[in-house]
Amino acid sequence: QKEVEQNSGPLSVPEGAIASLNCTYSDRGSQSFFWYRQYSGKSPELIMFIYSNGDKEDGRFTAQLNKASQYVSLLIRDSQPSDSATYLCAVRVSQKLVFGQGTRLTINP
Amino acid sequence: NAGVMQNPRHLVRRRGQEARLRCSPMKGHSHVYWYRQLPEEGLKFMVYLQKENIIDESGMPKERFSAEFPKEGPSILRIQQVVRGDSAAYFCASSRPDRDSGYTFGSGTRLTVV
Repeated sequence: QKEVEQNSGPLSVPEGAIASLNCTYSDRGSQSFFWYRQYSGKSPELIMFIYSNGDKEDGRFTAQLNKASQYVSLLIRDSQPSDSATYLCAVRVSQKLVFGQGTRLTINP
Repeated sequence: NAGVMQNPRHLVRRRGQEARLRCSPMKGHSHVYWYRQLPEEGLKFMVYLQKENIIDESGMPKERFSAEFPKEGPSILRIQQVVRGDSAAYFCASSRPDRDSGYTFGSGTRLTVV
């Protein structure tokens, strides 16, 4: 079992709709969770982090954490074509971040 | 406030040569991490360093790869006797020691072995 798993996609969402990205992790002791966005040919950019169960909102982005079920999700409201990118879920394991393989998201105008 | 600086951006090496990748962390960051990314794949952890110390090198291949973060100067990832399979994007990231707020990544070095 991989430490961090994501559906690689591609995930296609119409412009203006809600994009939902999911991630599961295997280490039940993990405490910190991160979402990064990576445009093609560019470096990853941190967009959200979450430590506590529940929801955390930042603009059009909402991160959701459920430690009992060991999953993290990212919702993007009012999706824009500029949101088209690969989204990487990361979980802190020991002293490092372990990344999932990423979900490629395409927003269709 | 400069971010994480990596150089070179692109590096072409012939098989058997050495590749040296450099990374200067953000100001105030003392933790450095190196990751490798193959095309269409996620980021694979290689090594975690603090000044003059390797903290975790569990992701480093046993041979040909080494990393350092000296007291003065940038962190260096060295790949000796490169092979075609070493072709990838290598990202450096840094973080603060007193706050768990994720990493800031540099722009990466794209290594091509010909």
